[in-house]
Amino acid sequence: ETGVTQTPRHLVMGMTNKKSLKCEQHLGHNAMYWYKQSAKKPLELMFVYSLEERVENNSVPSRFSPECPNSSHLFLHLHTLQPEDSALYLCASSLDDGGSGYGYTFGSGTRLTVV
Amino acid sequence: EDQVTQSPEALRLQEGESSSLNCSYTVSGLRGLFWYRQDPGKGPEFLFTLYSAGEEKEKERLKATLTKKESFLHITAPKPEDSATYLCAVMPAGYALNFGKGTSLLVTP
Repeated sequence: ETGVTQTPRHLVMGMTNKKSLKCEQHLGHNAMYWYKQSAKKPLELMFVYSLEERVENNSVPSRFSPECPNSSHLFLHLHTLQPEDSALYLCASSLDDGGSGYGYTFGSGTRLTVV
Repeated sequence: EDQVTQSPEALRLQEGESSSLNCSYTVSGLRGLFWYRQDPGKGPEFLFTLYSAGEEKEKERLKATLTKKESFLHITAPKPEDSATYLCAVMPAGYALNFGKGTSLLVTP
């Protein structure tokens, strides 16, 4: 167990569905992140939360909506997705901005398939 | 614009055959360069952080080095369990980790 838990591990959803991804960390970290990992592409940063405030949004489509109710939990709400949104969605956490020491701790990801 | 380029894209080694993976980067204000290992179906696992040119770090059969333009991950006498994708990432000043595409390493017995 990495200390960052993501659920579900696998998700298949239709383009008209609404679903949510959940991430939980018990490391005492105060920053959390969503990354998208697609085949043959680098990890793409989607959202950053520091002390529960969103500090960066890399022009992600509005069909992705993050929520961070506290420093231990992070959600990614999904609606009206497109097939090209199929990917591995990774959650990560860090102490402060992760620049000192160990960077980010990642969860195992949610494999999302949009049909 | 910050860029991270990893090479080769894929590497196949015989067990015991040493080699190096490359990570070239351009970044404004490097705060740190990170190496991660990713196994299939799992998230990236932290290996090393390097902060300044000339710095080196070692862990078992892995050794990471850093210059002003690139980093190398040297793998000495690899074993099949070293097979994984190795990711390089840079942290610019004030921003989140920026990743390369990774090198997929396969070590055969």
